[in-house]
Amino acid sequence: AQSVAQPEDQVNVAEGNPLTVKCTYSVSGNPYLFWYVQYPNRGLQFLLKYITGDNLVKGSYGFEAEFNKSQTSFHLKKPSALVSDSALYFCAVRDIAVNNRLAFGKGNQVVVIP
Amino acid sequence: KAGVTQTPRYLIKTRGQQVTLSCSPISGHRSVSWYQQTPGQGLQFLFEYFSETQRNKGNFPGRFSGRQFSNSRSEMNVSTLELGDSALYLCASSLVGQSGNEQFFGPGTRLTVL
Repeated sequence: AQSVAQPEDQVNVAEGNPLTVKCTYSVSGNPYLFWYVQYPNRGLQFLLKYITGDNLVKGSYGFEAEFNKSQTSFHLKKPSALVSDSALYFCAVRDIAVNNRLAFGKGNQVVVIP
Repeated sequence: KAGVTQTPRYLIKTRGQQVTLSCSPISGHRSVSWYQQTPGQGLQFLFEYFSETQRNKGNFPGRFSGRQFSNSRSEMNVSTLELGDSALYLCASSLVGQSGNEQFFGPGTRLTVL
């Protein structure tokens, strides 16, 4: 079955510095990859996705992610972090060759320090 | 366009009771998925409905069930509640059956079992 690993529990970054949230995945076929963000007491908000095409995907709020097939990674990045980016970030993968379910990583808490 | 709505937002039940949660998808979305979110297990897939049919099911006991109506609204039911069922239950909707479509999440129903 498909799976996602987000190795870090918490990512601390100073405001204005680059932000990276790591994600690696495992699927049997071609992956469909997604990033979501969750603010306290809210549902998940879609940030961006990779389906096919250009490996660098741009999304909402200045976020982007790079698909790396050889490293099976889909790291989320933002050039300059804002305090308002502090939230819980989830990476997810869908393996259409197996069961078409969306599997989520455990999430990374991002803390942007003013 | 209105987002995904879930009712109620908060619910307190006691062990052994049953509960029904409701989800109204974004207009035009025919796929509805349900997830359970807990601090220990993260986001776990419960089931997906499309055109009133359960299309996919996660690894949860039979106490968890759901259904979808002709207007795409969905309900999930949990019978014989256990303490471990305390969680945030998230509903997500997406466009017709395309794996590359992102899911849009509701704010969730916070269920507490005493």
